[in-house]
This record gives sequence, C-alpha cells and structure tokens, in this order.
Amino acid sequence: AAGVIQSPRHLIKEKRETATLKCYPIPRHDTVYWYQQGPGQDPQFLISFYEKMQSDKGSIPDRFSAQQFSDYHSELNMSSLELGDSALYFCASSSAGGSTEAFFGQGTRLTVV
Amino acid sequence: AQRVTQPEKLLSVFKGAPVELKCNYSYSGSPELFWYVQYSRQRLQLLLRHISRESIKGFTADLNKGETSFHLKKPFAQEEDSAMYYCALMGSGGSNYKLTFGKGTLLTVNP
Repeated sequence: AAGVIQSPRHLIKEKRETATLKCYPIPRHDTVYWYQQGPGQDPQFLISFYEKMQSDKGSIPDRFSAQQFSDYHSELNMSSLELGDSALYFCASSSAGGSTEAFFGQGTRLTVV
Repeated sequence: AQRVTQPEKLLSVFKGAPVELKCNYSYSGSPELFWYVQYSRQRLQLLLRHISRESIKGFTADLNKGETSFHLKKPFAQEEDSAMYYCALMGSGGSNYKLTFGKGTLLTVNP
C-alpha cells in the first residue's frame, strides 16, 4: 500500500541558503501535518493543512512557509537557513480533516553547515 | 533496522477501567522511545518520553529492554482519553537519527 512519501530523504545546505521539502500524502488524504525534531529534542508541530487551506499553525519560524497544492501534496519552504534548522522534518497525512488515524513519512533529514 | 509494533489497532474499554496500550520495538542500539496522542481533528501531541520518566494525564510507560517493550498504561481510563495513540522510536547514532512510528492504536473509552 502507498505510504506517505517525503523527498528528499537527506539534504545538506549552507547557512543562508533555501530549502524545499516535499510531502506526498496517502491518496485521498486531505490533511497534512509538518513536524520538526532536532537532535535529542521533542518533535515540534509546525503547521497543518486541510483541503489546501492552513488549518493550524505551531512554532513555525517566519523564515519558513508552506502550502498544500491541488493534488494535496505539501511543500515546506525554508529560507535564510540557520545552523539550528538542522533537524528531522517529518510529515503526516490523514483523511476527513484529521479525524482518522495519521500516517507518517520517513522524514527528511536536513543538515545546515 | 528499527521497527515499532503496536499489535492492537483498536482498544475499547469502559470508563474507570485500566488500560494498557502495547508497544514493542526492534532496535540494535539504545533507543529513545515516545508516546504520542492525537485527538480527533487535532495535531499530534507528545504524551511522554521514556527518559523523562514522568506521568502525563495519568499515563505512564516503562521501557523494558529485556522484552523490548514500552507499553502505555493508565489505571483508570477517562472518556477524554479516547484518541489515537502512537508509539515512536528514535535511534541513536549522532546525526543519523531516524524517527519510526508504530501504526497507532485507537483507544475508545466508553461511559
């Protein structure tokens, strides 16, 4: 069965560069969540989308933006990268606006050097 | 390879009954384990992590390395505990950490 796909799996960027992370939800899932987890830290909720509209916002820096497209995939855009942005970014998808179980991607490991 | 297994997809109990959500893991090193909860239509929330050894909302979980388990327990379930619960494992290894989730257990607490 298809799962949540994230790309790329690994990404290395320099400070002040930009990065775009992609999340492809399970087919027919309309809700996407983004989380950030730094080394040794708890996951932090960043933002979520339902039916292509932002549904909830967490601790997402102003340097980051995200959107959900017509095919329900989502992209997290990160600009002016800082060393502290190095983390695992994972997304999850669910259907019915988040009322059903969520499925998680494998994550994108971003390293800022 | 690291793997997390939650053998019960659904768990239904009555209010006031004890509840145990099972989680077994497979990992060759020293893992860090978490329990997350997701209430209907809400974001995923961290419930507890094994290294903090704290009790959140009456829930506790003990890491049993011998049985490679991290079961979540609560002595008296409440209706507001009804939610999806996910067990997750983070492997160690410097910058090569990876977070793996179980499939989740839907807990329903009946009045």
